[in-house]
Amino acid sequence: EIVLTQSPGTLSLSPGERATLSCRASQSVSGKYLAWYQQKPGQAPRLLIYGTSSRATGVPDRFSGSGSGTDFTLTISRLEPEDFAVYYCHHYDSSRTFGQGTKVEIK
Amino acid sequence: EVQLVQSGGGLVQPGGSLRLSCATSGFAFSFYAMSWVRQAPGKGLEWVSGITNGGGSTYYADSVKGRFTISRDNSNNTLYLQMYSLRAEDTALYYCAKGSGGGRPYYLDHWGQGTLVTVSS
Repeated sequence: EIVLTQSPGTLSLSPGERATLSCRASQSVSGKYLAWYQQKPGQAPRLLIYGTSSRATGVPDRFSGSGSGTDFTLTISRLEPEDFAVYYCHHYDSSRTFGQGTKVEIK
Repeated sequence: EVQLVQSGGGLVQPGGSLRLSCATSGFAFSFYAMSWVRQAPGKGLEWVSGITNGGGSTYYADSVKGRFTISRDNSNNTLYLQMYSLRAEDTALYYCAKGSGGGRPYYLDHWGQGTLVTVSS
């Protein structure tokens, strides 16, 4: 079973700063099947990125994804107030595993 | 506009049963796989079950295998999750989600609003 480990658990940043979120897989996975979701309090998750680096419809270009093998990254180039949320990576091949989440909070 | 409207949650005793529904609109339901994902209070996301577009293949997390059954009614654009032998650890907000394609693998591109299942005596 593939385990996804996200780091850090919490990221404290100010609006306008750059956020770098990590997702590490316990074994090499195909980047074709790596997604990122954003979840705000009291809301359902929202798809941000699929296939490691493809943005979902309507997602601003300040969100970008990269990586391969076991290491994947979600980058938010300049944090907007609405970006403070929890972010989950997801491997949607056979394991269908989610990472435990990274909370991006206002510093 | 894609819409997933969930119903059927509630309070149930340990060992009890419950059926969740997810009524959909705004897309060709029969063309897309669907999934259920849950979130225990204050915790992260856990994939629970999935079903291909035609209903011919179903998939379950080990934690629910043999107790939960996923199904779909393509004539009524509705997804279901029948839950049996419920345990306290099944307490969670359950989300239905639309897959990006008809079969595996697929990411989840639209989500329902969630329905709360509480298992307690």
